[in-house]
Amino acid sequence: DGGITQSPKYLFRKEGQNVTLSCEQNLNHDAMYWYRQDPGQGLRLIYYSQIVNDFQKGDIAEGYSVSREKKESFPLTVTSAQKNPTAFYLCASSMGQLPGTDTQYFGPGTRLTVL
Amino acid sequence: AQSVAQPEDQVNVAEGNPLTVKCTYSVSGNPYLFWYVQYPNRGLQFLLKYITGDNLVKGSYGFEAEFNKSQTSFHLKKPSALVSDSALYFCAALSNDYKLSFGAGTTVTVRA
Repeated sequence: DGGITQSPKYLFRKEGQNVTLSCEQNLNHDAMYWYRQDPGQGLRLIYYSQIVNDFQKGDIAEGYSVSREKKESFPLTVTSAQKNPTAFYLCASSMGQLPGTDTQYFGPGTRLTVL
Repeated sequence: AQSVAQPEDQVNVAEGNPLTVKCTYSVSGNPYLFWYVQYPNRGLQFLLKYITGDNLVKGSYGFEAEFNKSQTSFHLKKPSALVSDSALYFCAALSNDYKLSFGAGTTVTVRA
C-alpha cells in the first residue's frame, strides 16, 4: 500500500447524506485517481487528476465530486445523488509521466456502506 | 475503446503446481499491460507490467507474464504456487489518456 493512505477504513452513511473519503500520498506523484470496486466488476474509474487544480471525469462520475487543491490530497465526496454508493473505494497515484511507464499505486481502500 | 478480459472467474491449483491466470486485451496502438493482486479488504498491489521489449516479463513474488501479440494475451504465471498466493488477480491495460481499464478479476485458490 506504500505511501498512500485512505481514511476512514470503514464508513457508514445514511441515505441523503454526503460523505467525504480522504486520500493522501507522500510519493510526490502528480497524478491521482479514484476507483470504485463492486464484486465481479473489477475497478471502474470515477475521477482522475493529472495536476493540482485540475481533474477529469472518469467512466462513472455521476453522483461524485472531487477537489485537488494540494498535490498530496485528492478527497472524494459521495453525494446524495449517487444512487447506489455502497462499494469499496480505492485511491491511486502515479508519477504522471507518459503512458506506458506510469504505474499506478493503490491505497488500502475505504468500504462505504449506506444504511 | 480498449477492453480487458479475464475468462476465468476462479482458478484452483494445488500448492507446488504451476499457476496460470489468463488475460486477453483489445487496445488500439501499443498495449501497455499490468497485473495487480488484491488480498481481502486491501488495496491492489502492483505485480508487473509490459511496455515493450521481451515478451516474458518478470515481476514480484516469483510471478511472470508472457505477452503474445498474435493472440492478444498477457497471461500471468508462477512455476510453483504457494498457499499465500491465494488472492484476487486483476489484469489491466493503460490508454494514452492515463486511464487503466481493468478485467473483472480472477480469484486464485491454492490448496495445501
